[in-house]
Amino acid sequence: QKEVEQDPGPLSVPEGAIVSLNCTYSNSAFQYFMWYRQYSRKGPELLMYTYSSGNKEDGRFTAQVDKSSKYISLFIRDSQPSDSATYLCAMKGQGAQKLVFGQGTRLTINP
Amino acid sequence: DVKVTQSSRYLVKRTGEKVFLECVQDMDHENMFWYRQDPGLGLRLIYFSYDVKMKEKGDIPEGYSVSREKKERFSLILESASTNQTSMYLCASSSSGSGNQPQHFGDGTRLSIL
Repeated sequence: QKEVEQDPGPLSVPEGAIVSLNCTYSNSAFQYFMWYRQYSRKGPELLMYTYSSGNKEDGRFTAQVDKSSKYISLFIRDSQPSDSATYLCAMKGQGAQKLVFGQGTRLTINP
Repeated sequence: DVKVTQSSRYLVKRTGEKVFLECVQDMDHENMFWYRQDPGLGLRLIYFSYDVKMKEKGDIPEGYSVSREKKERFSLILESASTNQTSMYLCASSSSGSGNQPQHFGDGTRLSIL
């Protein structure tokens, strides 16, 4: 079993929809959680960075962490075609330098 | 903004060649990383470095080596390239200051070994 599980999709939704992307993990030592967005032929770009449990909001994006369930989510409100990309979750423990990545979910927003 | 620059976007080499991939960051980050990204396998860590001349093996170091002679530069070396090393290679850096800083990535080098 992988340490981090992420449905690779692909996920296709209409413009304006609310998108929910999720990852589950097995290592209870993980405390720092990230979401990266990767456009085609580009490197991953840091989108959200959260510590421990709770919510963090940045514009149309909300990151949610539920450590009791070992489950993290990224919500995209009012989705736009420009949000079409692969979304990668990543996480690590306190003091660790190495990140553990999910496989990435490929998202397409249809105009 | 953090800038991580990889010297080549696309590279084509032949089997058995020695290949150098270069990465430079401009934020004085202590930590630098090399990953490869393959469909269905995600990102896999090859090597990382937390200081000049220091290196640590990642999850898939076989067939690779690294060099970090200066803080801003981290090189990945394929000693004798093979076709199974055809992949997208991503470099990343992060700061050790204030603990637990996220990694920032370059745009990758798409390497084909013929």
